[in-house]
Amino acid sequence: GQNIDQPTEMTATEGAIVQINCTYQTSGFNGLFWYQQHAGEAPTFLSYNVLDGLEEKGRFSSFLSRSKGYSYLLLKELQMKDSASYLCAVLDSNYQLIWGAGTKLIIKP
Amino acid sequence: DVKVTQSSRYLVKRTGEKVFLECVQDMDHENMFWYRQDPGLGLRLIYFSYDVKMKEKGDIPEGYSVSREKKERFSLILESASTNQTSMYLCASSGGRETETQYFGPGTRLLVL
Repeated sequence: GQNIDQPTEMTATEGAIVQINCTYQTSGFNGLFWYQQHAGEAPTFLSYNVLDGLEEKGRFSSFLSRSKGYSYLLLKELQMKDSASYLCAVLDSNYQLIWGAGTKLIIKP
Repeated sequence: DVKVTQSSRYLVKRTGEKVFLECVQDMDHENMFWYRQDPGLGLRLIYFSYDVKMKEKGDIPEGYSVSREKKERFSLILESASTNQTSMYLCASSGGRETETQYFGPGTRLLVL
């Protein structure tokens, strides 16, 4: 079967750095997405990786290793507004998005 | 900016009622999707559509149907609402098979009593 694993919840301190991991086992791979979802709101697109390596976008970076079936989202200089759930999703061989359950990130002052 | 709108943010219905959830996108996207989201579970795909009048079943289509009469509009229908359909319903659209970034509407929180 297809599976996306990410931690259920993480806690970090304002101003610090946090890394949210995602491992996947899917039938084929056509890219990996990270979305941010604030409580009660819709997911919003953060990043897309299809090649191995690190993609940096301001305070947020996303890394992919296809051989390991592994990605992480790195958030630097954490702000209170970064408190949200972070969803990992993989595009499989049929171009269907397979979603992880999300990681709830709690930022403490 | 892509704009995806949904007809209601909150909805309360009774068991057995027929429920219509509407979704409209303004970016001329070919693809539209309906998901439900429940605590502790990932987004689960109900139905999707790659073109007008075209529909495909997702992972959990039972108890639902859809309609796509116009490119910009994708409706989700609960034929006879049940309490286990209480959930957050999210509509999304994307530009094409090779442009797979999905953009979401604000969601409809449905409570079935």
